[in-house]
Amino acid sequence: DAKTTQPTSMDCAEGRAANLPCNHSTISGNEYVYWYRQIHSQGPQYIIHGLKNNETNEMASLIITEDRKSSTLILPHATLRDTAVYYCIVKANSKLTFGKGITLSVRP
Amino acid sequence: DTAVSQTPKYLVTQMGNDKSIKCEQNLGHDTMYWYKQDSKKFLKIMFSYNNKELIINETVPNRFSPKSPDKAHLNLHINSLELGDSAVYFCASSQDKNTQYFGPGTRLTVL
Repeated sequence: DAKTTQPTSMDCAEGRAANLPCNHSTISGNEYVYWYRQIHSQGPQYIIHGLKNNETNEMASLIITEDRKSSTLILPHATLRDTAVYYCIVKANSKLTFGKGITLSVRP
Repeated sequence: DTAVSQTPKYLVTQMGNDKSIKCEQNLGHDTMYWYKQDSKKFLKIMFSYNNKELIINETVPNRFSPKSPDKAHLNLHINSLELGDSAVYFCASSQDKNTQYFGPGTRLTVL
């Protein structure tokens, strides 16, 4: 599976949009980009995934660049409960390979 | 209703003991997984079962043995527990190889 790189941490103000970047320059054509998050002491929670097109659901939007070498997860109106570690994962088979993720801190 | 459940939530035991962690999913999924998250917070896959058959077996000591009595259950049995086995263990499930949904975790502490 292709490797991803994410900043170690970032913060944003409550109510503002949180834009979480991810680089996956070695992604293959059949590999999906998945985002999960892990709130302290809880199990990882699925957020969204995509292959080529931008995707949106009730939790977030996923913007994938045309060359698919990077993507951005957007939380449109961050709340304090969105404080968590966010994992960007490139997945081709049944294995999810988690990296270190990015710690998002939402401040009041 | 809880989609993926694990029992117990906390498990404290002595070195050398044998223990089991249970996992159940009510999503009708055909694939289940076990992950281990160590003290440094790295989350790594251990096993995966599809329709009761082992399909992923990462480099895990033989002391760890997953058992799948049916599609909805994947239990993790650990023999001769060691200090290094202390971690949080997460169960997950998916339909085919698609999106995985995780349980709340079992925090194992070996003394």
